[in-house]
Formats: sequence, structure tokens, C-alpha cells
Amino acid sequence: AQTVTQSQPEMSVQEAETVTLSCTYDTSESDYYLFWYKQPPSRQMILVIRQEAYKQQNATENRFSVNFQKAAKSFSLKISDSQLGDAAMYFCAYRTPYSGNTPLVFGKGTRLSVIA
Amino acid sequence: DVKVTQSSRYLVKRTGEKVFLECVQDMDHENMFWYRQDPGLGLRLIYFSYDVKMKEKGDIPEGYSVSREKKERFSLILESASTNQTSMYLCASNPGGSTNEKLFFGSGTQLSVL
Repeated sequence: AQTVTQSQPEMSVQEAETVTLSCTYDTSESDYYLFWYKQPPSRQMILVIRQEAYKQQNATENRFSVNFQKAAKSFSLKISDSQLGDAAMYFCAYRTPYSGNTPLVFGKGTRLSVIA
Repeated sequence: DVKVTQSSRYLVKRTGEKVFLECVQDMDHENMFWYRQDPGLGLRLIYFSYDVKMKEKGDIPEGYSVSREKKERFSLILESASTNQTSMYLCASNPGGSTNEKLFFGSGTQLSVL
């Protein structure tokens, strides 16, 4: 079974600085999808960014980018120019590509604090 | 925009009560999911459904059941609530088919069993 590991339960960053959240996963598949979700205090989960494993290029969404290292099974999230609104729980997630019906497997999350 | 609505934001129940958590989505999604979120444990899948009247067990189905009589509604049932079921429950949906399709989440129900 696939597993997702987030080794940093908590992180903090100064406003306007850059922070990187780590995620590793275990799979025997060669093709799959990876996601980062954000959960602010409102509890509403929001998709931050997603990456298809067959794509070489790292995904980017404005201030958010990933460092996808397929051989190392690593999928870290970099947040640039951190803002107070970035404070949240961040979850890394994995999905097999073989069926649209398969659920996501989530990591345990990293709580990010942003210091003004 | 897709809306996933969970009937209660906070719920307090007694041990032994039968508890229904309701989830409704308004975008004709095929797939619906129930996750449980606990500090330090992340999100764990309880049950999911990919069609009306279809259900699949997730990683922690014990003590729970589900019902999906209509496409838009997916109910999580605690037959006899216990204190170890105190948790945040998140419902989610997606269209299915496309495997990179994101999940749409409800705002969660914080259940306390006393």
C-alpha cells in the first residue's frame, strides 16, 4: 500500500521569507499524481498544487512551487514571499492513476506558522 | 463553484447514541468520501462511494457505516457512538474518471462524544 510521510509536524517562517515543506511517499507505481492541500483555521481544504509523475517539469502556482524528485520519491512544497494568510495545516497526498475512483492517501500534515 | 455541504459544523452526542453525519454535493459528482482527521494522524479514509448504493471500505471502517441512496448525498453513520470516535469528520467529492481531478471538501463536522 502507498504511504505518504510528512516528517515536519510543525514549521514556522518569517513573513516575506521562503519555507519548504517536505513530503516523501512510497509506491511501486511508475505513474501517479501528487497533491498539496492547505487547511486554514476555517477548516476548508484548498488544493494548492498538483503534479503528474510523468511530467518532468515541476508544477508552479504563483508563490507556490514543488520540487519533485521521482527517483527519491520526494515532493516538497516551497512557499515564497510567505504571507500571514499562508498559516495553515498543509497536507501532501498521493493518488494512483489507474482509476478515477481511487481515493487520495494523505500524509499526517505540517502545521505552518507565519511570524509577522 | 462546487459546493460540498456538511449538515453540522459542531455536534455533541452521548456514548451509545446513533449518529448521522450528512454530506450533500451540488455538482453531480460520482465519487464521495468520508475522512476522519485527528491531530498527528492526518486524514484517514473511512468509507467512499463511486456510485449510488455503492460503497467501499477505507482504512478505518470499524464502527462506521454509510448510505448513498441518492447521488448527491452521502451519509456517515455511527451505530453506537463511542468516545474514541470524537474527531473531525470531513466529506469530499470529485467527478471521478479523471484521476488528477482535485477533491472538493466540506467544512468539516467536529464531533464530540461524551
